[in-house]
Amino acid sequence: DQQVKQNSPSLSVQEGRISILNCDYTNSMFDYFLWYKKYPAEGPTFLISISSIKDKNEDGRFTVFLNKSAKHLSLHIVPSQPGDSAVYFCAASDRGNQGGKLIFGQGTELSVKP
Amino acid sequence: GAGVSQTPSNKVTEKGKYVELRCDPISGHTALYWYRQSLGQGPEFLIYFQGTGAADDSGLPNDRFFAVRPEGSVSTLKIQRTERGDSAVYLCASSRSPNTEAFFGQGTRLTVV
Repeated sequence: DQQVKQNSPSLSVQEGRISILNCDYTNSMFDYFLWYKKYPAEGPTFLISISSIKDKNEDGRFTVFLNKSAKHLSLHIVPSQPGDSAVYFCAASDRGNQGGKLIFGQGTELSVKP
Repeated sequence: GAGVSQTPSNKVTEKGKYVELRCDPISGHTALYWYRQSLGQGPEFLIYFQGTGAADDSGLPNDRFFAVRPEGSVSTLKIQRTERGDSAVYLCASSRSPNTEAFFGQGTRLTVV
């Protein structure tokens, strides 16, 4: 039972263009969503989060959009840079009932070409 | 150190042996989490501590897995009678509270041969 899904295993984008990473979830009790970035041989690094009471959160080049009715969130990176090349994981939690326990998607490997 | 520290970074053990993996969370973080990541997958939740107590251990796969956090800081994940299927990267994370973002360590790569 995959509660959080990232259907694209990989994405390739030209430097300077927009990268859009997508994530779908099935559990309507999720109230907090996060994106993590992971380089090889390192642990995931927190990028940006959004509460279910919002539909958008922005931090520099990174913006996360949440569509609760569609149970869908996306991460936009503008402009994309070669250093953004990594695996991106979306994660969700039901903080009201399950505290900080995170359910992760399978990840999308982003490659930004110079 | 400033971040979450996990030791060892790599561990190779023989099938049937016992292993202990250690996690040093960020100072002052009361919540601590263990996850396991297999190749090509996202991290999979194992157990979560709030202070010294296990608030949720629903992700532990079976009774060969056990974790402790006796003083509310360092945690140890213990695996008995290891199996080849236990091979994975074991990740530890900590957060200031259950409602704030978690910060991950670099992981321990466990290989059972």
